[in-house]
Amino acid sequence: EVQLVESGGGLVQPGGSLRLSCAASGFTFSSDWMHWVRQVPGKGLVWVSRINTDGSGTSYADSVKGRFTISRDNAKNTLYLQMDSLRAEDTAVYYCARDRPGSNYYFDYWGQGTLVTVSS
Amino acid sequence: DIQMTQSPSSVSASVGDRVTITCRASQGISSWLAWYQQKPGKVPKLLIYAASSLQSGVPSRFSGSGSGTDFTLTISSLQPEDFATYYCQQGNSFPLTFGGGTKVEIK
Repeated sequence: EVQLVESGGGLVQPGGSLRLSCAASGFTFSSDWMHWVRQVPGKGLVWVSRINTDGSGTSYADSVKGRFTISRDNAKNTLYLQMDSLRAEDTAVYYCARDRPGSNYYFDYWGQGTLVTVSS
Repeated sequence: DIQMTQSPSSVSASVGDRVTITCRASQGISSWLAWYQQKPGKVPKLLIYAASSLQSGVPSRFSGSGSGTDFTLTISSLQPEDFATYYCQQGNSFPLTFGGGTKVEIK
């Protein structure tokens, strides 16, 4: 069974940093692209970032470019999101999601999410 | 960036009704479109990918159609467990973008 378990969320002050983790199991992690998607509670879904299988290729939403860094450790089956220079508007639930194998950038499995709150 | 516009933003329907949700892309995306269902307090669930392909395990009452800029999600006979918010998402190019969501409510 595919499982994605995020951790690392919490309360952080504006300008601070946080690193999210997503532990993957039940599939060959090193074979699949991965994504981060966020959602302000009660609002819509927003794609944040993606990483290819070996970590050599990444993309970011304009709103986080230069502040967030996606990475992965295939030996540990873990995806990361390093978030720096955090702003109030980064407050959201952050989901990691698997890129559906064999198709274009769709998310077939999602973690349960971790809440990031940026506030003083 | 490709903008995705869903309509309506909400719909009230009864069990057994046929429900259609539309999604329009600001530029052509071929068939690179997915639909997700999200229930309150739950994570999104992939229903349809590549505009019309049913994800494994999803009931056949869900169907998708369209290409280019105009897409639809149809629920042929609404069931109690289908009351949720539905999102479209384009998979054509980065940044990936979602529609604003359509909430299907009980009439």
